[in-house]
Amino acid sequence: SQTIHQWPATLVQPVGSPLSLECTVEGTSNPNLYWYRQAAGRGLQLLFYSVGIGQISSEVPQNLSASRPQDRQFILSSKKLLLSDSGFYLCAWSVFLAGSYNEQFFGPGTRLTVL
Amino acid sequence: AQSVTQLDSHVSVSEGTPVLLRCNYSSSYSPSLFWYVQHPNKGLQLLLKYTSAATLVKGINGFEAEFKKSETSFHLTKPSAHMSDAAEYFCVVSDTGGFKTIFGAGTRLFVKA
Repeated sequence: SQTIHQWPATLVQPVGSPLSLECTVEGTSNPNLYWYRQAAGRGLQLLFYSVGIGQISSEVPQNLSASRPQDRQFILSSKKLLLSDSGFYLCAWSVFLAGSYNEQFFGPGTRLTVL
Repeated sequence: AQSVTQLDSHVSVSEGTPVLLRCNYSSSYSPSLFWYVQHPNKGLQLLLKYTSAATLVKGINGFEAEFKKSETSFHLTKPSAHMSDAAEYFCVVSDTGGFKTIFGAGTRLFVKA
């Protein structure tokens, strides 16, 4: 069966510090991978998605970047965190099949607080 | 262009009474529709999905949703609320086979004893 891991679960970082959040998927090959951010009391905002190694699409201009160095690994990074980067970050995966419904499966999330 | 509107930001029900969470969508294509549930500080869990095979979709934990094309709605219901149903619920629209999904703003469900 497929599983998705995210770490760390919680993170407190000072403004201006770097960030690296990691997401890995097991039990599937060539998944679509996604990074979302959920600000307090708000819905999910798609930040990045990837359809393959090294292929990253950014949905919104921001202080963050994403990379996919391996098929089932997706990393969210920042060189210098801003206060506005605080939030709950969720990684998700789906499998692209002809006629599929693109249901996504979510990791447990990382709570990031920037002080 | 796709969009999804969850008509209520908060819904409060008593335990044992019916639940109705409303969702309207717009899509230029034949849409895929989903409901997800999120408990506090947890990831999202898929409740159910619309597959076009049947307009009434049954999901986990006794939830179901009905796809009504004429009303562009996909409301989530449950006959009898349980305390454990208290959570945030997201309605989601996606193009069939597409990469992008649009999430509604969410509806927080409160269940009173």
